Amino acid sequence: GQQVMQIPQYQHVQEGEDFTTYCNSSTTLSNIQWYKQRPGGHPVFLIQLVKSGEVKKQKRLTFQFGEAKKNSSLHITATQTTDVGTYFCAGRAAAGNKLTFGGGTRVLVKP
Amino acid sequence: EAQVTQNPRYLITVTGKKLTVTCSQNMNHEYMSWYRQDPGLGLRQIYYSMNVEVTDKGDVPEGYKVSRKEKRNFPLILESPSPNQTSLYFCATGVSANYGYTFGSGTRLTVV
Repeated sequence: GQQVMQIPQYQHVQEGEDFTTYCNSSTTLSNIQWYKQRPGGHPVFLIQLVKSGEVKKQKRLTFQFGEAKKNSSLHITATQTTDVGTYFCAGRAAAGNKLTFGGGTRVLVKP
Repeated sequence: EAQVTQNPRYLITVTGKKLTVTCSQNMNHEYMSWYRQDPGLGLRQIYYSMNVEVTDKGDVPEGYKVSRKEKRNFPLILESPSPNQTSLYFCATGVSANYGYTFGSGTRLTVV
């Protein structure tokens, strides 16, 4: 079945630095979504990418969908303490409606 | 205010005692789904519903039942809970299956 892997599992970042988290699917995707879950909270939808090679920005967050539509990345610039949480990617298979979540990247920010 | 309401937020129960976790949404969303979240395993789909009276199994449906008799409600039923169903459960809704989901606040279930 479809698998979605995220790396790294944990990311310790110094406040002010940049970091990137990666998402890789075993199958071609029709679209990919990103969610953020604060500690003790619930996942919150951030964005959906649909087109091959698509890049979208939300303030300090840059999301990219790979050319082959099998991978994606989330890059955060100038990390702030408000960025703490777990970031999940979720890929929708090219066939069907199934959305598969990756295991998440837990981000910890050192002030 | 648009919201997805789950109840209860916390529940401790004993093995074999039937329980229901409720999920209600006021956004007129067609799509609803249940996930469980376990450390290191991310979010795994239990059941989903594309519309009223239409439900289907997700990745980990064993030991769970759902129903979708009306659009706004999608209860999760554990007929005979077991300790391996101890988890954090989330209800999620969407305009359709192809858009971003709105999650409820979660239900932390402990089965002893």
